[in-house]
Amino acid sequence: GENVEQHPSTLSVQEGDSAVIKCTYSDSASNYFPWYKQELGKRPQLIIDIRSNVGEKKDQRIAVTLNKTAKHFSLHITETQPEDSAVYFCAAHLAGTALIFGKGTTLSVSS
Amino acid sequence: GAVVSQHPSRVICKSGTSVKIECRSLDFQATTMFWYRQFPKQSLMLMATSNEGSKATYEQGVEKDKFLINHASLTLSTLTVTSAHPEDSSFYICSAGLALQETQYFGPGTRLLVL
Repeated sequence: GENVEQHPSTLSVQEGDSAVIKCTYSDSASNYFPWYKQELGKRPQLIIDIRSNVGEKKDQRIAVTLNKTAKHFSLHITETQPEDSAVYFCAAHLAGTALIFGKGTTLSVSS
Repeated sequence: GAVVSQHPSRVICKSGTSVKIECRSLDFQATTMFWYRQFPKQSLMLMATSNEGSKATYEQGVEKDKFLINHASLTLSTLTVTSAHPEDSSFYICSAGLALQETQYFGPGTRLLVL
């Protein structure tokens, strides 16, 4: 089955800096790679996703890149703000199957 | 987007009792729903895949006799934690998606505390 590795587990940045979180996956059949932001005690919120036929996607300060050959995908947050502080999870799956999550990255943005 | 509800949002029970958690897709039909468990400061771990009209598929290490899943309709899946113990205390979240669609919609979660 699918296995997703996520790094780093914690990330501290200064407000305005960029943050990068990286994930690798094992199942080459996976074709959908979402990123979630989770605040304490709440459900994960989808912030951006990418499909296997796309190499990069951007939405304002957030971007995701995908390298299918290497089975890597990364989340890039630019101009970080204190409200970006949360736990971020990457996930991978084949459409119709369960999402398999990475272990999460706790992002702290200090002002 | 699609809406998934979960009930109750939190429950406290005594050790040895059973607790039922409901997951509903409010504005779409879901032939498949997924149940996850999340311990504090950890990731979401898939427990089982709930299939409408058939038996659930459990992940390795998840006891099917302890975590009973019933998916009786296209909009409702239930997870019953039987004979709950303190180590079952966790955040349980369900998700559902449209058939063969990529996006999964999460319920708000149920926080279970077993005393």
